[in-house]
Amino acid sequence: SQKIEQNSEALNIQEGKTATLTCNYTNYSPAYLQWYRQDPGRGPVFLLLIRENEKEKRKERLKVTFDTTLKQSLFHITASQPADSATYLCALDGGATNKLIFGTGTLLAVQP
Amino acid sequence: DGGITQSPKYLFRKEGQNVTLSCEQNLNHDAMYWYRQDPGQGLRLIYYSQIVNDFQKGDIAEGYSVSREKKESFPLTVTSAQKNPTAFYLCASSIATGHRGGYTFGSGTRLTVV
Repeated sequence: SQKIEQNSEALNIQEGKTATLTCNYTNYSPAYLQWYRQDPGRGPVFLLLIRENEKEKRKERLKVTFDTTLKQSLFHITASQPADSATYLCALDGGATNKLIFGTGTLLAVQP
Repeated sequence: DGGITQSPKYLFRKEGQNVTLSCEQNLNHDAMYWYRQDPGQGLRLIYYSQIVNDFQKGDIAEGYSVSREKKESFPLTVTSAQKNPTAFYLCASSIATGHRGGYTFGSGTRLTVV
């Protein structure tokens, strides 16, 4: 079965810097990958989707890359702000199951 | 505004008691899902439904039951057979299973056994 790994340690960065979060997966290559933001005590909010034939996707200050050779996606937030502090989850399509598989998430803390 | 409403936000259950968590959506989505979230673990799928009057077990269905009598509603019952029910429960919906658009999540219900 598919396994997803996100850095369980919190990422602390200074305001204005670029935050980079990693999502690694094993086994088969997914057709697409999604990133979500989750605030404490709230449900995740969908941010971006990237397809297997796309190397990079951008949305405002967000950028996602997808390397099917390395089996890795990187999620970047440029010019980070304290309001970006949250847990970020990656999710992959479950192949034939047609369901998303979620990672455990990485907590990002942006210091003012 | 379209979205998913989960209620209650907090729920306390006594040992041996069944409780039902509500999930309602007005997005006209066909697919609905129930996840459980525990500290340090990813979202784990309990049940999902692709269409009215149909649902399938997810990865951790034991001790839970669901129904899908209406497109808008997908309630989850945590039965007394669920030995460790304390967790954060999230309901989600999507246009269809396998659809590449993102899931829309509710705000969650935090269930605690007392």
